[in-house]
Amino acid sequence: SQQGEEDPQALSIQEGENATMNCSYKTSINNLQWYRQNSGRGLVHLILIRSNEREKHSGRLRVTLDTSKKSSSLLITASRAADTASYFCATASGGSGNTGKLIFGQGTTLQVKP
Amino acid sequence: DVKVTQSSRYLVKRTGEKVFLECVQDMDHENMFWYRQDPGLGLRLIYFSYDVKMKEKGDIPEGYSVSREKKERFSLILESASTNQTSMYLCASSFSHNTDTQYFGPGTRLTVL
Repeated sequence: SQQGEEDPQALSIQEGENATMNCSYKTSINNLQWYRQNSGRGLVHLILIRSNEREKHSGRLRVTLDTSKKSSSLLITASRAADTASYFCATASGGSGNTGKLIFGQGTTLQVKP
Repeated sequence: DVKVTQSSRYLVKRTGEKVFLECVQDMDHENMFWYRQDPGLGLRLIYFSYDVKMKEKGDIPEGYSVSREKKERFSLILESASTNQTSMYLCASSFSHNTDTQYFGPGTRLTVL
């Protein structure tokens, strides 16, 4: 079952603009992670935010988490053509019996035009 | 750096063939996962393993089996390949039971004719 729903499904911007992607989920979580996938390749981990954190930064990436709304956003500032990729959120469930599973959203495809 | 390798980038098989997809990780991770990725459906978990010889069904195990005889190696087996198993297959590994970061291989694009 899909827990993460991402919005928008596709986003096209000019180089230098900011890109914002949103993720909503349904059940309680331990953490939420964002991954990037270049076309035809595997996923690469970008950033993890724990359920007791509200905001996290890594370079040009900023992630927020609102557990009351069960949502997260990924902001990429000053985008570059090389940021063109698909971006996925993934949630790790809270509670006991944790098995290391992540549930992935369907992703946002970002195109950054030079 | 963590390295997860998959035996093939591209594979073409015929309907009814037995297919083996192999995944190897070099970081002594306990957890290993097999996903398939299809347009519009995102990543779907087929099987995962949290220890040698242990396996758990994911969301779509039908038509697949797995083997984990050694900690570093996790194999996905299609007993009798069918055209609806044409897909991108991704292997991943992670360190602990605490839903840590997953590290992905480059993927195998399987076409079943």
